[in-house]
Amino acid sequence: DTAVSQTPKYLVTQMGNDKSIKCEQNLGHDTMYWYKQDSKKFLKIMFSYNNKELIINETVPNRFSPKSPDKAHLNLHINSLELGDSAVYFCASSQDLGQSNYGYTFGSGTRLTVV
Amino acid sequence: AQSVTQLDSQVPVFEEAPVELRCNYSSSVSVYLFWYVQYPNQGLQLLLKYLSGSTLVKGINGFEAEFNKSQTSFHLRKPSVHISDTAEYFCAVSERGNTPLVFGKGTRLSVIA
Repeated sequence: DTAVSQTPKYLVTQMGNDKSIKCEQNLGHDTMYWYKQDSKKFLKIMFSYNNKELIINETVPNRFSPKSPDKAHLNLHINSLELGDSAVYFCASSQDLGQSNYGYTFGSGTRLTVV
Repeated sequence: AQSVTQLDSQVPVFEEAPVELRCNYSSSVSVYLFWYVQYPNQGLQLLLKYLSGSTLVKGINGFEAEFNKSQTSFHLRKPSVHISDTAEYFCAVSERGNTPLVFGKGTRLSVIA
């Protein structure tokens, strides 16, 4: 059983389209995150949710909208995709907000390519 | 706010040689420190972490790291690398465990046969 699973693994789409990436964790963790890894491998946090509530929203265009239907799921919807959105998006989870000392469990990533 | 600097973007090393990947952090408060490894086309896997106590921490796959508060460093070492250690390595910091992990830009370790 995969602890943090993301779908799809690869996503190729045209500029201007709207797409979603799904993430699910079966670890019973309260906190989930979205990170973006650019072409230079730099990882930057985008959002953090704790028990379905948005905790952190870094400087991310409002075309990106996370949604957490329950604490085991955190989906990422992207409107009007742009070339610069091409990246690998990682979902992660941790026990709770103050427990990042245990580290995060990461999904295997979604490689988004906008053409 | 905390930040992490990984001083080397690429480190080539021959198989069975020792390696050190350097990491320095900046923070005004106590921190937790982590090293993650990313194999090609995979997610990140936790190698080791420093929370408190002994400054030398041992992780998986024979890696270890030493926390040096005066030098604000957390360098990763392995005495003898294998081809399978070829991967991207990320240092990360969290302030007192209450902030999301902030990652360095990564170091690409290439082990040469």
